Amino acid sequence: AQSVTQPDIHITVSEGASLELRCNYSYGATPYLFWYVQSPGQGLQLLLKYFSGDTLVQGIKGFEAEFKRSQSSFNLRKPSVHWSDAAEYFCAVVPYSSASKIIFGSGTRLSIRP
Amino acid sequence: GAGVSQSPSNKVTEKGKDVELRCDPISGHTALYWYRQSLGQGLEFLIYFQGNSAPDKSGLPSDRFSAERTGGSVSTLTIQRTQQEDSAVYLCASSSRGEDTQYFGPGTRLTVL
Repeated sequence: AQSVTQPDIHITVSEGASLELRCNYSYGATPYLFWYVQSPGQGLQLLLKYFSGDTLVQGIKGFEAEFKRSQSSFNLRKPSVHWSDAAEYFCAVVPYSSASKIIFGSGTRLSIRP
Repeated sequence: GAGVSQSPSNKVTEKGKDVELRCDPISGHTALYWYRQSLGQGLEFLIYFQGNSAPDKSGLPSDRFSAERTGGSVSTLTIQRTQQEDSAVYLCASSSRGEDTQYFGPGTRLTVL
């Protein structure tokens, strides 16, 4: 079945520490891949996206993600987190065969330890 | 620069009542989407409009849910005979033709008592 998996429900890291949020997808072909962030009481904001080309993509707020076809993964990283990064992060795909609805992962809640 | 706007931001209603939620997409965007975000179900696709094509209604959970898009712009999501399980945040998004990036509005929080 087609799916997007974010295995970590909740992660806590110290301010200034590095971060990696995991995402795996299950589709026949490489879909379009996204990471969105949702701060408390806010809407969804696009962090970055991958359609094709360079497998390391840069996003806003110092985030980056790497697409690994062999692992069907699109993990989000940041070298040094800030307290303002505390939020819910969603990995998402738009299946290439259906450039319409977004399929979202279940989300990872990030907490920052002072 | 106006983004996607939604109204109302919050709606409290009684079980059995009908509600209408409104979405104003980004000007010039031809595609419009509705999603629902609830505690038990995460983020779910509801319906998708693209230009004058027939909408993709495959995500609507029951026939109590319907949506229309007038003049290719504003969209209204209607929930008839609301139930408590309809309580959620309803998100609208839009995108331009040929682009797969969707831009989201702030959502409408619906509470059914």
